[in-house]
Amino acid sequence: EVQLVESGGGLVQPGRSMKLSCAASGFTFSNYGMAWVRQAPTKGLEWVATISYDGSSTYYRDSVKGRFTISRDNAKSTLYLQMNSLRSEDTATYYCTRGVYPGGYWGQGVMVTVSS
Amino acid sequence: DIQMTQSPSSLPASLGDRVTITCRASQDIGNYLRWFQQKPGKSPRLMIYGATNLAAGVPSRFSGSRSGSDYSLTINSLESEDMAIYYCLQHNEYPYTFGAGTKLELK
Repeated sequence: EVQLVESGGGLVQPGRSMKLSCAASGFTFSNYGMAWVRQAPTKGLEWVATISYDGSSTYYRDSVKGRFTISRDNAKSTLYLQMNSLRSEDTATYYCTRGVYPGGYWGQGVMVTVSS
Repeated sequence: DIQMTQSPSSLPASLGDRVTITCRASQDIGNYLRWFQQKPGKSPRLMIYGATNLAAGVPSRFSGSRSGSDYSLTINSLESEDMAIYYCLQHNEYPYTFGAGTKLELK
């Protein structure tokens, strides 16, 4: 059974950093690109970043480019999202999804609140 | 960026109704269009991929279609479990963009 479990969220002050993790199981992690999608409270879905199966290619939405870094450790079957210089508008539930674009498998989501 | 204009934003409907939700793409996206269903407090669920293909485990009352730059999700014979928010997603080019969502609710 495919499982994606996010962790690392919480409350963080503006300008600070936070790193999210997504532990994958039930499939060969190194064969798949992965993506992060977020959803601000009561708002719609927003694609954040994508990484290729081997980590050689990464893509970001403009609003996070230069502040967020998507990465992966295929040996640990884990996806990461390093978030720096956090802003209040980054407050959201962050989901990891299997595939270079959102598809059939999503984690349960992890909440990130950016507030002083 | 490609804009996905989704309508309506809210759709009151009765059980047994046939309903249609539409997304219009601002540029050509081919058939790189997916539909997701999201219920409160839950992760999104893939319903349709490639504009017209039913995802695994999705009831056959759901269908997807395309007419030019307009993409539609149709639900035949609405059931109570279908009440949710539906989003379209274009993944033809970066940044991938979602529609704003359609809240399907009981009339």
